[in-house]
Amino acid sequence: SQTIHQWPATLVQPVGSPLSLECTVEGTSNPNLYWYRQAAGRGLQLLFYSVGIGQISSEVPQNLSASRPQDRQFILSSKKLLLSDSGFYLCAWSIPGPGSGANVLTFGAGSRLTVL
Amino acid sequence: AQSVSQHNHHVILSEAASLELGCNYSYGGTVNLFWYVQYPGQHLQLLLKYFSGDPLVKGIKGFEAEFIKSKFSFNLRKPSVQWSDTAEYFCAVNAKGRRALTFGSGTRLQVQP
Repeated sequence: SQTIHQWPATLVQPVGSPLSLECTVEGTSNPNLYWYRQAAGRGLQLLFYSVGIGQISSEVPQNLSASRPQDRQFILSSKKLLLSDSGFYLCAWSIPGPGSGANVLTFGAGSRLTVL
Repeated sequence: AQSVSQHNHHVILSEAASLELGCNYSYGGTVNLFWYVQYPGQHLQLLLKYFSGDPLVKGIKGFEAEFIKSKFSFNLRKPSVQWSDTAEYFCAVNAKGRRALTFGSGTRLQVQP
């Protein structure tokens, strides 16, 4: 069966420090991968998605970036964190392809980031 | 651009009360529609989905949702809620051909015993 792992689960970082959140998926090949941010009262905001190694689409311009160095690994990064980057970051995967099944997302447990 | 509106931010109900959570989307073409649920301390998980066919969709735990194309709505319903339904509920939409879902802001449901 497929599983998705995110780490770290909780992170407290000072403003201006770098960030690296990791997400890995097991039990599937060539998944679509996503990073969402959940802020209180604002739902889930899509940050990045990837349909393959090295293929990253950015939905919202900001000081975050994403990379997909391996088929089932998705990394969210920042060189210098802002206070506004605080939030709950969720990684998700779906089956590959353009069909409707590719819209069914499976989420990880999330990483809670607090920037002070 | 597609967007999703959930007008109820916080709903408090007593057990056995009926539930309806509103969801409206803005996109004129063909869409896929979803409700996700996040129980306290758990992962966000799929509750039900609509791709095509019967606009009344049955999901897990007795939930259902009705797609009304003319109203751009996909409201979630349950005839009789239980304390265990306490959770946050998110509506999501994806225009066919797009790669990712657009989520609403969520509705926090609190069911009192």
